[in-house]
Amino acid sequence: KQEVTQIPAALSVPEGENLVLNCSFTDSAIYNLQWFRQDPGKGLTSLLLIQSSQREQTSGRLNASLDKSSGRSTLYIAASQPGDSATYLCAVTPMFSGGYNKLIFGAGTRLAVHP
Amino acid sequence: GAGVSQSPSNKVTEKGKDVELRCDPISGHTALYWYRQRLGQGLEFLIYFQGNSAPDKSGLPSDRFSAERTGESVSTLTIQRTQQEDSAVYLCASSWDGKRQPQHFGDGTRLSIL
Repeated sequence: KQEVTQIPAALSVPEGENLVLNCSFTDSAIYNLQWFRQDPGKGLTSLLLIQSSQREQTSGRLNASLDKSSGRSTLYIAASQPGDSATYLCAVTPMFSGGYNKLIFGAGTRLAVHP
Repeated sequence: GAGVSQSPSNKVTEKGKDVELRCDPISGHTALYWYRQRLGQGLEFLIYFQGNSAPDKSGLPSDRFSAERTGESVSTLTIQRTQQEDSAVYLCASSWDGKRQPQHFGDGTRLSIL
């Protein structure tokens, strides 16, 4: 059974720091891995999607890496800002989900960036 | 609007009552998903609709939960005889099809069972 774990559960940093969020998954048979952002009382916004054949994806100050064989992904946020404060969720699409996006989510990392 | 719309945004009800949650997907999206998010936890898959195919109900936690979708439009998630453990945020997502396309999420319905 695929399980996704995110560490740390919560993180508080001063503005301007570079930070790393970690995600691990137990079964390397995945189609892709996604990082989402969730603001309080809101739905999820997709940040980055890494296909299983890729090693990393970048969008602005965000960089996500994927090491499928070891079951790990990291989300790197450069020069953090207070507006980055949110919960960050990692999700995988297991390879034997029936060919569709039956996403398996981690519990998230709650990030607070203070001025 | 261009996004996934869910209603109501908040629902408070007494234990034992039935509730119905609604999701309007993005126009043209054939795939629709329901997830449940309990406090401090990740999202749990509940049910998936793809076009006119039979839905995948493998994530529904009990027979008190059911969902319907009319064609490729609105979906409703119904919870009968609600229990306190049903308290959660129920999120709906849609995508162009079920073939690993990005999912677009609504803001969810926060359900509280007293």
